[in-house]
Amino acid sequence: SQQGEEDPQALSIQEGENATMNCSYKTSINNLQWYRQNSGRGLVHLILIRSNEREKHSGRLRVTLDTSKKSSSLLITASRAADTASYFCATPGQGWGTYKYIFGTGTRLKVLA
Amino acid sequence: GAVVSQHPSWVICKSGTSVKIECRSLDFQATTMFWYRQFPKQSLMLMATSNEGSKATYEQGVEKDKFLINHASLTLSTLTVTSAHPEDSSFYICSARSSGSNQPQHFGDGTRLSIL
Repeated sequence: SQQGEEDPQALSIQEGENATMNCSYKTSINNLQWYRQNSGRGLVHLILIRSNEREKHSGRLRVTLDTSKKSSSLLITASRAADTASYFCATPGQGWGTYKYIFGTGTRLKVLA
Repeated sequence: GAVVSQHPSWVICKSGTSVKIECRSLDFQATTMFWYRQFPKQSLMLMATSNEGSKATYEQGVEKDKFLINHASLTLSTLTVTSAHPEDSSFYICSARSSGSNQPQHFGDGTRLSIL
């Protein structure tokens, strides 16, 4: 299966702490995306990192990409209760021009107030 | 930002009924739309990819006669679950993207389908 794996599967932290989640994937990619899903809702795109980038920032989010290890990490700094959600990484599917993405297994983050 | 509207948000119906779910891009042209299925506390499983004006490409194991997908315009795709049974109960999510590489997918809010 091409599906990426994320760890941890679940993470519970106190408000104000940092949250780090990791994604490992199997095939060569030209970009990787991170999404967030609130319970019972659709996904929201957070950040895209290209294969020639090692690190990218967006507000309190920091994403790293190590193509040699086929892994990426998402760091949320100074977490808030509102950050409670599931986070998924997504990598391009096989086949030129399909534009489909395969989503990882997800990390369920709970931020305690 | 790009908005995708999915309707209905939830539906309960009897076994044997066909259910249609709509996915609309409100402020951009969606050259490609995707349909996913998600079980509780699990990831999204891609069911099919559809490009405007052409037949959908289904993932392995997804019955195309069971899950009919139509993408007749650049702003609308529909998924019809035909003769639905309890095992079809799930959370179905659509997404849409515009043309060009490295474009993100914009997701609808999903449809919770419960078949009695």
